[in-house]
Amino acid sequence: AQSVSQHNHHVILSEAASLELGCNYSYGGTVNLFWYVQYPGQHLQLLLKYFSGDPLVKGIKGFEAEFIKSKFSFNLRKPSVQWSDTAEYFCAVWMDSSYKLIFGSGTRLLVRP
Amino acid sequence: GAVVSQHPSWVICKSGTSVKIECRSLDFQATTMFWYRQFPKQSLMLMATSNEGSKATYEQGVEKDKFLINHASLTLSTLTVTSAHPEDSSFYICSASPGTLSGRASTDTQYFGPGTRLTVL
Repeated sequence: AQSVSQHNHHVILSEAASLELGCNYSYGGTVNLFWYVQYPGQHLQLLLKYFSGDPLVKGIKGFEAEFIKSKFSFNLRKPSVQWSDTAEYFCAVWMDSSYKLIFGSGTRLLVRP
Repeated sequence: GAVVSQHPSWVICKSGTSVKIECRSLDFQATTMFWYRQFPKQSLMLMATSNEGSKATYEQGVEKDKFLINHASLTLSTLTVTSAHPEDSSFYICSASPGTLSGRASTDTQYFGPGTRLTVL
């Protein structure tokens, strides 16, 4: 079955630490890849997306993600996190076979000042 | 740009009543709108996909007679939870996509509304 896995459910970091959140999907066809962020009490916002081209995608607020097709992965990275990055992060994959967005289970990030 | 609103932001109702939730795309026309349900500390689960002017496509396990979806215009979709029960209490989120006019959901980005917290007593 088509699925999206986020292996880290809870991550706690100190400010200035580097961040990498894993995302893997199980589907061999064409995909579009997204990372969304949900700050406390707010709605989902798009961080970045990959449709085609350069597999290293830069998003807002210093986030980037790399699509590695051979590994079916789209990991999110940020070199130096801030307290304001505390939020829940969702990886989502659009699969052309199902015409719908499938979300990972989310990763709750807590950044300590 | 790409703002999606939902109304109401929260609602409390008695068991057996019906509740309507509106989803509007404020600054773009949404060929396709999606309705999700999010349980506490869980991810978003797609309930249905609606294209303007046609019947919604429901995901497996979602009762179409209980969760009525209407997408009457390119900027408005409504979800009506009929005869709500406590187990329907959840966070309902809509998203909108500019999409294409082919009648099928496009691969374009989805923009999410702020969600509606439904509590059924």
